[in-house]
Amino acid sequence: ETGVTQTPRHLVMGMTNKKSLKCEQHLGHNAMYWYKQSAKKPLELMFVYSLEERVENNSVPSRFSPECPNSSHLFLHLHTLQPEDSALYLCASSPHLGDTSTDTQYFGPGTRLTVL
Amino acid sequence: GDSVTQMEGPVTLSEEACLTINCTYTATGYPSLFWYVQYPGEGLQLLLKATKADDKGSNKGFEATYRKETTSFHLEKGSVQVSDSAVYFCALSEETSGSRLTFGEGTQLTVNP
Repeated sequence: ETGVTQTPRHLVMGMTNKKSLKCEQHLGHNAMYWYKQSAKKPLELMFVYSLEERVENNSVPSRFSPECPNSSHLFLHLHTLQPEDSALYLCASSPHLGDTSTDTQYFGPGTRLTVL
Repeated sequence: GDSVTQMEGPVTLSEEACLTINCTYTATGYPSLFWYVQYPGEGLQLLLKATKADDKGSNKGFEATYRKETTSFHLEKGSVQVSDSAVYFCALSEETSGSRLTFGEGTQLTVNP
């Protein structure tokens, strides 16, 4: 148990559906992240939030829309996805967006997304 | 840009065998280096880290030494257990990029009794 929870753990959706992934951290951290983990590929950083402000968007298609209403919650809204978007989506948090010599990212268990 | 290269898996070992998973990196500055582990059905957990050259990170019997001259951070364990079966990820973070991590592809390790 890392203190970062994600719901749902599994999601199957059609290409025309709209769904949302939720992440919650109970660690008092100020920075939160969305990653995409596809088979046989390195983790891809999608979005970074610091103090509820988006500070990075790594060329992610607009069919993925993040939302950070407060420093404890992070959402990823999904609409009109493609089958190639099927992957494990991981959320992470860290105390602050800063020096990794003193900072560590804590990951949630992920949401396994399948797009039909 | 930054990149991390890990040895290809999967790796299959018998219990009590020695483990080495190779990791090399490319970075423009002086990165911090990490090993993360992902057990089945779970998210990534930090296993160990090193923040400067010649530092050795260690945890749960695993070790890795930051070798600047060979740009490597190989993961080692002298005697693996069945419970070590997992996917291991090498990662780096540049001092100029804050907490942003660049990951390798991961190496699947299976330890048989």
